[in-house]
Amino acid sequence: SAVISQKPSRDICQRGTSLTIQCQVDSQVTMMFWYRQQPGQSLTLIATANQGSEATYESGFVIDKFPISRPNLTFSTLTVSNMSPEDSSIYLCSVQRQVVTEAFFGQGTRLTVV
Amino acid sequence: GQQLNQSPQSMFIQEGEDVSMNCTSSSIFNTWLWYKQEPGEGPVLLIALYKAGELTSNGRLTAQFGITRKDSFLNISASIPSDVGIYFCAGPNYGGSQGNLIFGKGTKLSVKP
Repeated sequence: SAVISQKPSRDICQRGTSLTIQCQVDSQVTMMFWYRQQPGQSLTLIATANQGSEATYESGFVIDKFPISRPNLTFSTLTVSNMSPEDSSIYLCSVQRQVVTEAFFGQGTRLTVV
Repeated sequence: GQQLNQSPQSMFIQEGEDVSMNCTSSSIFNTWLWYKQEPGEGPVLLIALYKAGELTSNGRLTAQFGITRKDSFLNISASIPSDVGIYFCAGPNYGGSQGNLIFGKGTKLSVKP
């Protein structure tokens, strides 16, 4: 398993502003992902955070809106830019040791945009 | 694309009752995973299954990997109030290119003391 620390745990933000979420893992991992969980919904993949290169985004998510950094194998950030109320969701950092194996999650960031 | 159909969507049960939920896939999986998410927390892995027909237990939880490799079941015996949460099934996203998992829509469990 892996211990994943994600912060902030929650925030209330004004529309038009940006929020950066941090994810720290207690050991080096190959794969880090960012998911969005809208209220009462399942988890939707936003992107894979690639170490040392640009993130790989799923259809419907773009770098300008969700810039991601991954400077090393234990840390990543997700920024939610120019926020609107539709961005109110839980954002989750996830890690996997290998492709399509067990995923482990941070506690999530509950974002409310007003 | 791949989809996971999880049922039931929600369950309201009395403490002490047994619970059963299931998940079906439109394609064959080599791995099935079950997670529990409590309010304000991220999903926590409960059970991982790797082989068709496999039956694995974790305390009062038992999960099975269906022999068709397109379904999986999770049972909770003698439920208690702390079983409350949302249970998600998950499997490999073979239809994608990123090596991530895909998740069912979840079963929300409520337990009445």
